[in-house]
Amino acid sequence: DTGVSQDPRHKITKRGQNVTFRCDPISEHNRLYWYRQTLGQGPEFLTYFQNEAQLEKSRLLSDRFSAERPKGSFSTLEIQRTEQGDSAMYLCASSRTGTSGSRNEQFFGPGTRLTVL
Amino acid sequence: AQTVTQSQPEMSVQEAETVTLSCTYDTSESDYYLFWYKQPPSRQMILVIRQEAYKQQNATENRFSVNFQKAAKSFSLKISDSQLGDAAMYFCAYRSARGGSEKLVFGKGTKLTVNP
Repeated sequence: DTGVSQDPRHKITKRGQNVTFRCDPISEHNRLYWYRQTLGQGPEFLTYFQNEAQLEKSRLLSDRFSAERPKGSFSTLEIQRTEQGDSAMYLCASSRTGTSGSRNEQFFGPGTRLTVL
Repeated sequence: AQTVTQSQPEMSVQEAETVTLSCTYDTSESDYYLFWYKQPPSRQMILVIRQEAYKQQNATENRFSVNFQKAAKSFSLKISDSQLGDAAMYFCAYRSARGGSEKLVFGKGTKLTVNP
């Protein structure tokens, strides 16, 4: 079991550029989540997938953000026309259904740290 | 909307001593789950302990225990026999038990320092 992996771990880009991050969940997990964590804050929910269906999106997810999970396995998060305010740690987590209540624990990846210059 | 408040930005404890981290939350729901997550420096977040709101008994995991006060909407974490490896950011989180809502709502975190 390799856990949740994210790529790249660090990304530096210039304002206005597009960036894409990838998340590979734990293999048997059918749910995948994206969170954003800015300095000094807790993670904020962005969106989540069950299999390939995007079931919930936060209002934080502006039109410049798009997430996909085309085959219900890995997911990508794209940010278009990046702004300095997009600088943050982007966290991915996964969990599985079939367990009850709180026991569908979300396992987090190491995150992708984005710096927009 | 639910909110989670951690009023202690930083805490410190001597090795082998006990420390309590505070968390309060606001919700109009009656059924929900509460969590404490640990985020060590430059490492990924891991779950420390969980509590179902319908359970009156406080959760315990080895040296970690919670004091869940549903009426007061309070959910504190007690770490006993603190170890150097406990040093980390600790986040309190809320999740609704309502079907279809899977997001975690986090507090701003408490940075715990363990002094040798």
